[in-house]
Amino acid sequence: DAGVIQSPRHEVTEMGQEVTLRCKPISGHNSLFWYRQTMMRGLELLIYFNNNVPIDDSGMPEDRFSAKMPNASFSTLKIQPSEPRDSAVYFCASSLSPGTGAYNEQFFGPGTRLTVL
Amino acid sequence: AQSVAQPEDQVNVAEGNPLTVKCTYSVSGNPYLFWYVQYPNRGLQFLLKYITGDNLVKGSYGFEAEFNKSQTSFHLKKPSALVSDSALYFCAVRDPLTGGGNKLTFGTGTQLKVEL
Repeated sequence: DAGVIQSPRHEVTEMGQEVTLRCKPISGHNSLFWYRQTMMRGLELLIYFNNNVPIDDSGMPEDRFSAKMPNASFSTLKIQPSEPRDSAVYFCASSLSPGTGAYNEQFFGPGTRLTVL
Repeated sequence: AQSVAQPEDQVNVAEGNPLTVKCTYSVSGNPYLFWYVQYPNRGLQFLLKYITGDNLVKGSYGFEAEFNKSQTSFHLKKPSALVSDSALYFCAVRDPLTGGGNKLTFGTGTQLKVEL
């Protein structure tokens, strides 16, 4: 298995531009998570999906951020317009939904390092 | 609300010595607890988890963790540290009573540095 795939690995853009980050979860996994990591705030959960449906988006910082999961094998995180404070590493992770009394660990992608100038 | 604390930003240990990375948690029910490791420029990798059963959990790369309910702790340990263990370690918790599905809450991370 190729693991969780994220693209691009690095993105440099100018303030005000639209940025789209992409994620392909592990085949068969039905939960998908978007995280943001910065030195100041550590690792933050932005949003997660279960069976392609957004379950909890309370971590999405503001309306400039949006996430979609049109099918089980693809998700996007979009920032429009981007700002310098959005500079961070964005991780996607996937897992199998747990059964009762169980929990399946999350598998993380390599991340996208976003720099907004 | 669930939370997890990692009181040490950095832990330094000599190679061959035992290491401990501390984690305490707060949940309203019985916790599900996890340790992840992050190497430079990489995503997080799962090390081990506690769901139920034996309080001592063994994981990847010789790591283990002990669940202590009375102290609400889940410290990560290894009997003999290697330089290659140097990385950022995250503790995470899921409160099964929150009904939050697969959502985990991560700690702030502890940088482990193992020196020769």
